[in-house]
Amino acid sequence: DAKTTQPNSMESNEEEPVHLPCNHSTISGTDYIHWYRQLPSQGPEYVIHGLTSNVNNRMASLAIAEDRKSSTLILHRATLRDAAVYYCILRDLGDNYGQNFVFGPGTRLSVLP
Amino acid sequence: AAGVIQSPRHLIKEKRETATLKCYPIPRHDTVYWYQQGPGQDPQFLISFYEKMQSDKGSIPDRFSAQQFSDYHSELNMSSLELGDSALYFCASVLAGGREDTQYFGPGTRLTVL
Repeated sequence: DAKTTQPNSMESNEEEPVHLPCNHSTISGTDYIHWYRQLPSQGPEYVIHGLTSNVNNRMASLAIAEDRKSSTLILHRATLRDAAVYYCILRDLGDNYGQNFVFGPGTRLSVLP
Repeated sequence: AAGVIQSPRHLIKEKRETATLKCYPIPRHDTVYWYQQGPGQDPQFLISFYEKMQSDKGSIPDRFSAQQFSDYHSELNMSSLELGDSALYFCASVLAGGREDTQYFGPGTRLTVL
C-alpha cells in the first residue's frame, strides 16, 4: 500500500470545524482513500472513503485534492466524542480479498470543551 | 444492524499457557482480518482469511495460528503465551468482491498475560 503522512496530533475546540490533513503523494490511480478513527479502548471505526470526488456522509466530509496527492477529513462541528486517533489509509480497489490493511501512524485529535 | 462479535471480551492467562480468541463476522461477510494492538501502539495486521482460506499474513508469531470455519467465524489460537502478547486483539470483517472495502471491527478481546 502507498504511504500516507499525517500530523501526529491536533487540537480543536468543541463545536468548531476540524480539518485533518493527509498526504499521499505516491497514490496510484486505483487507490481509494479511506479514513478510520479509533476511540480509546474501542475497535477502529469506518468514517468515510473516496476515490476522486469529494464525499459527504453523516459523520464527515472528505475533500480530495485535484491531483489526489492529498486529502482532508472535515468534521463540521467537533464534539467531545470525536476525540480519537484518525487514520488515513490507501487501498487499491482490488485489495478487498483479505490483503494487508495498514494502520498508522494517525492523528490524535483532542477536542477541548 | 448486526455487528462483529468477539469473545471473550477479556482474558487473563499465565505465561506459557494457551488462548483461543473467537470472531463472528457480520452475516454474509466472507473475509476476516485479525489485528493486534499493544499499549500505545497502532493496530498491527496479523492474518486474514477469505472464503476460509488464508489470504494474507502479517507479523503473526509462529506460536499463533488461525483458521476460518465453514460458517465464516474465525479463531485465533495462541500458544506458549509471553508477557509481550498482552494486547487488544481485534477482528474485522468485510464482504469481499464488492466495490467497497470497508472493514467493520469488533469490540476487541483484551488479553492479559501474567
